[in-house]
Amino acid sequence: QKEVEQDPGPLSVPEGAIVSLNCTYSNSAFQYFMWYRQYSRKGPELLMYTYSSGNKEDGRFTAQVDKSSKYISLFIRDSQPSDSATYLCALSMIYNQGGKLIFGQGTELSVKP
Amino acid sequence: EAQVTQNPRYLITVTGKKLTVTCSQNMNHEYMSWYRQDPGLGLRQIYYSMNVEVTDKGDVPEGYKVSRKEKRNFPLILESPSPNQTSLYFCASSLSATRDEQFFGPGTRLTVL
Repeated sequence: QKEVEQDPGPLSVPEGAIVSLNCTYSNSAFQYFMWYRQYSRKGPELLMYTYSSGNKEDGRFTAQVDKSSKYISLFIRDSQPSDSATYLCALSMIYNQGGKLIFGQGTELSVKP
Repeated sequence: EAQVTQNPRYLITVTGKKLTVTCSQNMNHEYMSWYRQDPGLGLRQIYYSMNVEVTDKGDVPEGYKVSRKEKRNFPLILESPSPNQTSLYFCASSLSATRDEQFFGPGTRLTVL
């Protein structure tokens, strides 16, 4: 079983739609939860970061963490064509006197005008 | 400008011909790592470095070497490349392995014939 599972898509939605992206994980030791966005031919960039259960909002983006269910989500409201990208969840924990960071497989999102 | 640079951006080589992909960061980050990205598999960590002269294996280290002689540089070495190492490679740096944003380089597209 993979430590982090993410539906790779691809996901295609019309402009203005609400998008829900999800990851599940198996290790309850994960403490930090992130979403990265990766445009075509670019490196990933941090979009959202949280470390507690609940919701965190930033403009049209909301990150949700449910530690009891080992489930994290990213919601995009009023999606725009510029949101078309691959979205990767990333989870990390303190581990072995350092840290452990695991990425999901990434979900490819296309927002059609 | 704060950034992670990688060279070369594109490389086509033949089986068995040693190559080095350079990575450099100008943010004084302690933590650096290398990832490979393959369709359906997401980002997988090859090697990471907590600090100068401290490196350790990630999830897929076979066939790769790294060194960290200076804080800013973290080259990836393929002593004898094989076709299964054809992939998109990213270098990343951050203040720590866990709770800080990973800054990614632009990527190196490697093809081994």
